[in-house]
Amino acid sequence: GNSVTQMEGPVTLSEEAFLTINCTYTATGYPSLFWYVQYPGEGLQLLLKATKADDKGSNKGFEATYRKETTSFHLEKGSVQVSDSAVYFCALRSTGTASKLTFGTGTRLQVTL
Amino acid sequence: DTGVSQDPRHKITKRGQNVTFRCDPISEHNRLYWYRQTLGQGPEFLTYFQNEAQLEKSRLLSDRFSAERPKGSFSTLEIQRTEQGDSAMYLCASSLAPPSSYNEQFFGPGTRLTVL
Repeated sequence: GNSVTQMEGPVTLSEEAFLTINCTYTATGYPSLFWYVQYPGEGLQLLLKATKADDKGSNKGFEATYRKETTSFHLEKGSVQVSDSAVYFCALRSTGTASKLTFGTGTRLQVTL
Repeated sequence: DTGVSQDPRHKITKRGQNVTFRCDPISEHNRLYWYRQTLGQGPEFLTYFQNEAQLEKSRLLSDRFSAERPKGSFSTLEIQRTEQGDSAMYLCASSLAPPSSYNEQFFGPGTRLTVL
């Protein structure tokens, strides 16, 4: 079946540091890939997506590239801010009719001054 | 607010009681999904509807769980005879159905269930 593996957290960084959160997946077919973010006390929000190999999703300074050869979708940001502190979830959407999402376990990011 | 809403936001109940949660999707979305998220884990798919039809149920959805979307708008998720293992955040999401290219799922804030 489909699965998503994320690096374990928490990840603690100083403001303006470079961020990488690793994500790899297992899936049949050609899934779409997503990063969702959950800020404290809030619901899941879509951060970025990529629907085919070599696509790069980007939003709010975050980027991730769909790498089919390594089945990866790593999240990066060049300079994190305190306001980026949240839990980040990598997810894939299967190609079946349900379009259901399969999530990783989430990675908590804590950014300090 | 035109996003996905869920009610209640928190529910505390005693083991063996029945509980019902409600989800109101984004109005033009014909798909509605339920997920469950336990502490330290990512959300797991439970079931989904397209309009009023329930098209798939996960094996996670035991016989004590039932979901409805009677008019193709809001949905309810009922858990009968709750168990402590049912304690979790229950998330609702809505989207447009394929072949629309705008079919990202938008999530509600969730209902946190605590079973004592």
